[in-house]
Amino acid sequence: GENVEQHPSTLSVQEGDSAVIKCTYSDSASNYFPWYKQELGKGPQLIIDIRSNVGEKKDQRIAVTLNKTAKHFSLHITETQPEDSAVYFCAASKDFNKFYFGSGTKLNVKP
Amino acid sequence: DVKVTQSSRYLVKRTGEKVFLECVQDMDHENMFWYRQDPGLGLRLIYFSYDVKMKEKGDIPEGYSVSREKKERFSLILESASTNQTSMYLCASRGTVLDEQYFGPGTRLTVT
Repeated sequence: GENVEQHPSTLSVQEGDSAVIKCTYSDSASNYFPWYKQELGKGPQLIIDIRSNVGEKKDQRIAVTLNKTAKHFSLHITETQPEDSAVYFCAASKDFNKFYFGSGTKLNVKP
Repeated sequence: DVKVTQSSRYLVKRTGEKVFLECVQDMDHENMFWYRQDPGLGLRLIYFSYDVKMKEKGDIPEGYSVSREKKERFSLILESASTNQTSMYLCASRGTVLDEQYFGPGTRLTVT
């Protein structure tokens, strides 16, 4: 099956700095890569996603890049704010039913 | 707004008990999912259902079963709870294939 690895497990940045979280996947058939944000006491929420026919996608301060050849994708958050503090998960899927999640990154944005 | 609710936020059960975790969604979604979330392991799919009375195994179905008698409700059943099933359980629902998954707040189950 698919194996998704996510790094780093924890990330601490100063408010206003950028944060980058990286994931690699093993199954070249995977074609959909969502990113989720999980705040304390809540379920994960989709923040951005990318499909394999696209190399980059941006939504305000959040961007995702995908390198299909190297089988890795990254989440970039610019101008971080304290409310960005949360756990972030990457995932990969090839059939939109089975999603394989990374182990999560705890982001702490210090004011 | 899509709403996915789970019957309990916290649950404590004894080894060997039969445990029911209930999930209800209010958006008439066809697809529903059960995951467990463990530190360092992310989310792992236990079962999913793409229609009433239809189910498919995920990656870790052992020790679990599911029931979907009505479209809005998806139940996870632990036939005989064991301590290694202590975890956070997350339910999710999704409409069409291109829709996003909406997660409930989770049930933290402790088996003693």
